[in-house]
Amino acid sequence: NAGVTQTPKFRVLKTGQSMTLLCAQDMNHEYMYWYRQDPGMGLRLIHYSVGEGTTAKGEVPDGYNVSRLKKQNFLLGLESAAPSQTSVYFCASSLGTEAAGYTFGSGTRLTVV
Amino acid sequence: GENVEQHPSTLSVQEGDSAVIKCTYSDSASNYFPWYKQELGKRPQLIIDIRSNVGEKKDQRIAVTLNKTAKHFSLHITETQPEDSAVYFCAAYFPGGYQKVTFGIGTKLQVIP
Repeated sequence: NAGVTQTPKFRVLKTGQSMTLLCAQDMNHEYMYWYRQDPGMGLRLIHYSVGEGTTAKGEVPDGYNVSRLKKQNFLLGLESAAPSQTSVYFCASSLGTEAAGYTFGSGTRLTVV
Repeated sequence: GENVEQHPSTLSVQEGDSAVIKCTYSDSASNYFPWYKQELGKRPQLIIDIRSNVGEKKDQRIAVTLNKTAKHFSLHITETQPEDSAVYFCAAYFPGGYQKVTFGIGTKLQVIP
């Protein structure tokens, strides 16, 4: 049981490049989330999904797209990376029931130069 | 929307002393309050949680208290140890079709040996 697995762990992009972050969970969780973590700003929700085939915008969705084609996978895409997207990205999943805590992935440290 | 304020932003204590982190929330409908611990360079991990129908919950050296009337909840760590050094996040859940979760900004706890 791996929990929540994120790939890659580190990445450096040039401005304007694109990339996809992959999140995979093996806990049969319905809900999945993408957060970014920046110093002094806590965890901010980018996009989330309440089930296979569904996605929705969170607090800071601009510049990102997501897809949830399979229940176990939640992809975060950056179409044209900007330096402001330099951050640590965390994926998380939960059962989606009341009082269900999150299980976080190990994070992806992304630097855009 | 829900607002969660967390204090203090940094906290230094001597090993063996107690540490208290406080959070206040704005939405009285919030019904679930987890706490996460994030060690340096690692993922946030759920350490304790409390539901709105409970006033206090303990797990060994950590405890959480909830005051629904005042809309605040606190994390208490007793007999602190160096391995307690980490960033702690509180969160508040607002019930609904999508469990809306708001995180506090985090408290960096340093336990001085």
